Amino acid sequence: SQTIHQWPATLVQPVGSPLSLECTVEGTSNPNLYWYRQAAGRGLQLLFYSVGIGQISSEVPQNLSASRPQDRQFILSSKKLLLSDSGFYLCAWSSGTEAFFGQGTRLTVV
Amino acid sequence: GQQLNQSPQSMFIQEGEDVSMNCTSSSIFNTWLWYKQDPGEGPVLLIALYKAGELTSNGRLTAQFGITRKDSFLNISASIPSDVGIYFCAGLPYNNNDMRFGAGTRLTVKP
Repeated sequence: SQTIHQWPATLVQPVGSPLSLECTVEGTSNPNLYWYRQAAGRGLQLLFYSVGIGQISSEVPQNLSASRPQDRQFILSSKKLLLSDSGFYLCAWSSGTEAFFGQGTRLTVV
Repeated sequence: GQQLNQSPQSMFIQEGEDVSMNCTSSSIFNTWLWYKQDPGEGPVLLIALYKAGELTSNGRLTAQFGITRKDSFLNISASIPSDVGIYFCAGLPYNNNDMRFGAGTRLTVKP
């Protein structure tokens, strides 16, 4: 069966530091991959999605970037974190008919 | 991209009551999905809908894919305290890439 792994679960980073969040999927090939951000008590904001290796679509111009170096690996990065980057980050994969989420990463920028 | 309008934003109900929430869109979707999110967790898929008019149940949950393919609703019957959480609708368009979510319905169940 398919599983999705996202890590770390929590992260506290100082302003100006770099960021790397990783997401991997098992049990499927060529999935659509997504990064969402969720502010406290709010909805899901689509940040990036990818339909294949090296193919990244960005939804919101911001301080973040995404990469897909392998078919089942999706990475969210930043060179210099801002306070406003704090939030709950969720990775998801889709087969086209269903979509499943990782457990999320709680990022606090201090 | 397509935007989903989900309502209500929040609901406060007594245990045992039924709940209804819905999502509408200005665009057509091929797939409607309903999720529940507990605090600090990722959303969990509850029901997936693939055909206009389709009515699907999962225990006390029932969801329908609107005939126009621009809306969907979720009903929860006889609510219990563990139903508490945020419920999200999601739509997958024809190209299956641009998955969009509603803003969520926060459900509180009073015992």
